[in-house]
Amino acid sequence: SQQGEEDPQALSIQEGENATMNCSYKTSINNLQWYRQNSGRGLVHLILIRSNEREKHSGRLRVTLDTSKKSSSLLITASRAADTASYFCATGSNTGNQFYFGTGTSLTVIP
Amino acid sequence: DTAVSQTPKYLVTQMGNDKSIKCEQNLGHDTMYWYKQDSKKFLKIMFSYNNKELIINETVPNRFSPKSPDKAHLNLHINSLELGDSAVYFCASSGGQGFTDTQYFGPGTRLTVL
Repeated sequence: SQQGEEDPQALSIQEGENATMNCSYKTSINNLQWYRQNSGRGLVHLILIRSNEREKHSGRLRVTLDTSKKSSSLLITASRAADTASYFCATGSNTGNQFYFGTGTSLTVIP
Repeated sequence: DTAVSQTPKYLVTQMGNDKSIKCEQNLGHDTMYWYKQDSKKFLKIMFSYNNKELIINETVPNRFSPKSPDKAHLNLHINSLELGDSAVYFCASSGGQGFTDTQYFGPGTRLTVL
């Protein structure tokens, strides 16, 4: 399967702590995207990082990309209870016609 | 002013029936997609349409047929529903094509086949 793997599958932390999720993929990519999905809802786009970028920030989110290791990480700093959700990485292929989601990390932030 | 909307939100039906799910986007995007999310939350692309033309058709059964009357709409018609079709189906759209841009997702349609 071309689907990416995310690690950990589930993560539980206290409010105020940082949360780190990792994503590994198998093929060459054009870009990697992170999405959040609250329970029973659609996906919300968080960050897109292109293959020639190494790090990107958006508010409390920091994404890194290591194309040599085919991996990415999402760091959420100073977590809040509202950050409780599933987080998915997704990769767009170089050919532009393939898009694969990772298996997801379920994050629980305890108030 | 919902960006990507889907109807219905829930769909419960018997095996063998034919059903449709509608999707509309008001973002002016050129590309729309259908995804399937199974009970384990695995998300998989099914179809992609760019300016009313099918540009990707992953290996889904031909019982599934996307129909795009215009670039703001991409409907999903499913014939002869099977138990394994039970899942949440998401519509999405993006400004560019080829999965190089941010995708905006609809709220999903939970399909249950009895």
